[in-house]
Parts: sequence; C-alpha cells; structure tokens
Amino acid sequence: GAVVSQHPSWVICKSGTSVKIECRSLDFQATTMFWYRQFPKQSLMLMATSNEGSKATYEQGVEKDKFLINHASLTLSTLTVTSAHPEDSSFYICSAGGGTPEQYFGPGTRLTVT
Amino acid sequence: AQSVTQLGSHVSVSEGALVLLRCNYSSSVPPYLFWYVQYPNQGLQLLLKYTSAATLVKGINGFEAEFKKSETSFHLTKPSAHMSDAAEYFCASRGSSNTGKLIFGQGTTLQVKP
Repeated sequence: GAVVSQHPSWVICKSGTSVKIECRSLDFQATTMFWYRQFPKQSLMLMATSNEGSKATYEQGVEKDKFLINHASLTLSTLTVTSAHPEDSSFYICSAGGGTPEQYFGPGTRLTVT
Repeated sequence: AQSVTQLGSHVSVSEGALVLLRCNYSSSVPPYLFWYVQYPNQGLQLLLKYTSAATLVKGINGFEAEFKKSETSFHLTKPSAHMSDAAEYFCASRGSSNTGKLIFGQGTTLQVKP
C-alpha cells in the first residue's frame, strides 16, 4: 500500500514553454501533498505544501506564479512550471500524506529545459 | 526551529560489515523521525519511522534505528552490509502535527565495497 506515482518520469521542454507534472496517490487519500526539488548530490528542498481544495503554501523564495500547484482531489496534485528556463532543470519529487506521520514519495520527474 | 544533522556525507563500508549512519535532531519536543533511502534517479523509500512508541525501531531490509532522547540522536544501523545497500540515505524529522513539514538532513551516501 501507500503508492504514489508521478507522470511523466522525465520530460524535455524548450525554454519559454510550460510543463505539467502529475502526482497521484494510488491507494490512499492524500489530504496533504508536498512538492520538492532536488539538485544533484543534494538533499530535498521543499517548494510547497498543498491541501486538497485549498491554495498551496509556498516556501520562502519559491515563485508561486512560476510554479503553479493545484490539488483538485484527494488523489491528484499537479505542478506546472510556467515559462520554463534552463535553470528550472531539476529533479522534482512529490510526496503525499494521508493523516499518518509519514509521507510517501513519488518516483520523481526529471525536467530538462533546453 | 527544527533541524536535522547527518554526520558524514559519505560513508564507506565493506560488504558484510556493520553500517552506522548518524543522525541528530534538534527539537524542543521529541518529533517524529524517519529514515529514507534513495536510489539513483528514484524517489525516496521509507526505511523506518519513530513515532514515540518503542525507542528501538526495526525497518525494512534489516535496518534499525534507536531513538535516544538524551543524545537527540536517531542513528541508523545494519549488522551486515549488502552491495544492494549502496544508496543515498536521508534522516528526517517532523512535528507532531500530521500536516507538518519534513525537515531533511543533508543526506549520507553509503558506499559498499566488495
């Protein structure tokens, strides 16, 4: 149980375009979902926390207009990187919590902006 | 503010040797504590968790960790390393609220030599 999926697993896009990443909890209802960014050889950096049906809470320094997060249902959250630039290239990971202390992580999405 | 410190960004052991990965936390109250493992280009997998029950916690793949409040530590151990244990390990803490954010340590790369 407690499986979280992400789609796509990797994506290449051109500078200036937008890309959407989906995060789904497959076998539980995720009241809270989290989006992280991870640079090579580094720890995870929390970008934002989203609760179903409400606006996401962004961490300091994260541009909310650039990284749009929607948590429309208890099983789906999306992260849209708008007007992507090469510096947005990174590994994006989501996690989901369903009212227990632990978070369950998706497999990650590798974004490359050319 | 909570923080998590992992001592040693890189640990190397021989196959069959004891694995010890160190984690210290700072919190005014005992938090929830977790160890996650990350293989290359993948998400994080929960190894084990401490949630104020037993102080010695057993996890998957033969790993265990002991919560020591007096030392504010939650070190991860495994009696005998396998080649497949080579990965990145993250210690994380979380407040008592189930919607609380995970605070990650910097990560420790475990190398297992044949």
